[in-house]
Amino acid sequence: DQQVKQNSPSLSVQEGRISILNCDYTNSMFDYFLWYKKYPAEGPTFLISISSIKDKNEDGRFTVFLNKSAKHLSLHIVPSQPGDSAVYFCAASESFSGAAGNKLTFGGGTRVLVKP
Amino acid sequence: DTAVSQTPKYLVTQMGNDKSIKCEQNLGHDTMYWYKQDSKKFLKIMFSYNNKELIINETVPNRFSPKSPDKAHLNLHINSLELGDSAVYFCASSQAQTPGHKQETQYFGPGTRLLVL
Repeated sequence: DQQVKQNSPSLSVQEGRISILNCDYTNSMFDYFLWYKKYPAEGPTFLISISSIKDKNEDGRFTVFLNKSAKHLSLHIVPSQPGDSAVYFCAASESFSGAAGNKLTFGGGTRVLVKP
Repeated sequence: DTAVSQTPKYLVTQMGNDKSIKCEQNLGHDTMYWYKQDSKKFLKIMFSYNNKELIINETVPNRFSPKSPDKAHLNLHINSLELGDSAVYFCASSQAQTPGHKQETQYFGPGTRLLVL
């Protein structure tokens, strides 16, 4: 029962162009969403997050959009750089759930390849 | 100076053995976690400890026993290893979550690659 899904396992994009990664969720109790980036043989590193009270959050080249009615979020990377080549994980949590609010539910990841 | 460290990085062992994975964080965080990344690459939470107290246990077989000697350490002991235990195990830490507030960022270790033969 996957509550967070990333339906595109991979994405290839030219350097300088926009990368758009998508994520869908089914649990309406999720109210906080995060994107993590992972290089091979390393642990995931936090990239950007968004609370359900917002529909957009921007940090430099990275922007996350949230569409609560569609239970959909996306990560835009512009311009894409070769160093962005990695696996990107979408994650969600229920921040009002007390101790369980610590729990992150992850999607399956999208592998991004940025070609020079 | 690594924020979240795990040992060993690789672990190859026979079915039926007992093994431990260690995790240490030097971030001063109160909460630590163990995640499992299976062959399909899904990251799933196994356990969470807050200040040495178990707060999340995601129906993990009782062959897996986490132990937190202090809030900077969370070790994972696995008894009677099975083939299906082969995976990458990630430790993570964060400040304690306050209900209704943004998720505290979780910082991950580099992972321990376990292969059970």
